[in-house]
Amino acid sequence: EAGVVQSPRYKIIEKKQPVAFWCNPISGHNTLYWYLQNLGQGPELLIRYENEEAVDDSQLPKDRFSAERLKGVDSTLKIQPAELGDSAVYLCASSFSGEATQYFGPGTRLLVL
Amino acid sequence: AQSVTQLDSQVPVFEEAPVELRCNYSSSVSVYLFWYVQYPNQGLQLLLKYLSGSTLVKGINGFEAEFNKSQTSFHLRKPSVHISDTAEYFCAVIIPEPNTGFQKLVFGTGTRLLVSP
Repeated sequence: EAGVVQSPRYKIIEKKQPVAFWCNPISGHNTLYWYLQNLGQGPELLIRYENEEAVDDSQLPKDRFSAERLKGVDSTLKIQPAELGDSAVYLCASSFSGEATQYFGPGTRLLVL
Repeated sequence: AQSVTQLDSQVPVFEEAPVELRCNYSSSVSVYLFWYVQYPNQGLQLLLKYLSGSTLVKGINGFEAEFNKSQTSFHLRKPSVHISDTAEYFCAVIIPEPNTGFQKLVFGTGTRLLVSP
């Protein structure tokens, strides 16, 4: 069974540029999560989707971050414009709805210059 | 609010020695507990989890952890480590919300296990 897929794996951009990350969850998983992992820290939740609905986006900086999951399967996380402090790893995870165990993708490592 | 504390930021150990990575959590309600491992430049892989039942949980790669409710701990152990166990280990706690059923996963800051020959 394929795991959570993320792309790109690495991205280097200049500040003020836009960037987008893509995630395809494990087949059948209704719940999708985006996490931010700063260097030397544990992941922190940015947004959670139940199917196509964002049910918890309280930690998403909405002035520059946006996310979508239009068909309730894959999802895109966007930053526009990127700032130096956005350099981090962006992790996607998925689970069956209501289940505690989350499965993580390999992450996208973003470097903003 | 619940939180997770991993007191050791780094644990150096020699190959074939035993290791214990400590994790304490703060919560007055029932919790679910997890250990994830992150190898360099990779995502998080689930090592083991405690949801209910036996307090001694066995996971992949020879790791095990014991849930101790009175001490609010969930320490990770391995009797004999390998070089390949060198990685970052994250403890995480999840508390189910009774009304919505939502379960937010809260991570500790991680412990870097360094295994040397």
